[in-house]
Amino acid sequence: EVQLQQSGTVLARPGASVKMSCKASGYTFTSYWMHWVKQRPGQGLEWIGAIYPGNSDTSYNQKFKGKAKLTAVTSTSTAYMELSSLTNEDSAVYYCTRSLLRGGFAYWGQGTLVTVSA
Amino acid sequence: ETTVTQSPASLSMAIGEKVTIRCITSTDIDDDMNWYQQKPGEPPKLLISEGNTLRPGVPSRFSSSGYGTDFVFTIENMLSEDVADYYCLQSDNLFTFGSGTKLEIK
Repeated sequence: EVQLQQSGTVLARPGASVKMSCKASGYTFTSYWMHWVKQRPGQGLEWIGAIYPGNSDTSYNQKFKGKAKLTAVTSTSTAYMELSSLTNEDSAVYYCTRSLLRGGFAYWGQGTLVTVSA
Repeated sequence: ETTVTQSPASLSMAIGEKVTIRCITSTDIDDDMNWYQQKPGEPPKLLISEGNTLRPGVPSRFSSSGYGTDFVFTIENMLSEDVADYYCLQSDNLFTFGSGTKLEIK
C-alpha cells in the first residue's frame, strides 16, 4: 500500500525558512515523481513543483521558483520541500503527492499546515 | 503555460440530479485531464485520470469526456455524499489545476 507521511504543523516568523518532509512507503521511491501542492485556507490547489528521486531532476511552477526548493533522500525514501523568505501568503496546507506513471496525482500525504505569523 | 478555466464556481443540486462541471484549457492537451474530489479537512481524491479513466473503486456515476481543450465532468444521480469541492487538473504541459467547483445540496 502506497503511503505518504508528512511532517507536522509549523509556525514560522515572516522572513524565516521552513523545511517539511514526506516519507514514502509501499513502492519504489526512485521510480515516480513526487509533487508538492499548496492550498491556502478556503482556496484552491496550486502545483508547486516535482522531483524525480531517481536522479534528483526537478521541475517547478514558475511562480514558486526561488520560493520552494525540492530535495529527496533515497536512503530513507523521504522527499523534502524548503520554503524561504516566508510571508503571510505562504500560510497554507502543503501536500506531497505521487503521480501515476501517466499523469494524475493518485496518492496524497495528509498535508503539512504552515502558519506564518509574527 | 497552460491555463485552465473551470466553471461554474459553485453548484446547488438536488439529490438524484445530474451534475456537470466544465474545464477549458488554453492549449491542446489531448486527453491529459484529471478530476478530483475534495472534502473538508481531507486531501484531494483522484476520481478520473488521463484518458477519461475511472479510478478503481470510484462509483460509475462519475464520468468525464473531452479531448483537446474542452472537458466535462459528470455525476449522474447526485448523492448526498457527493457534496464536496471538485477540481480538474491538466497534466500535459506541467500541471495546472482549475479553480474549483463547490457542490452543495439544494
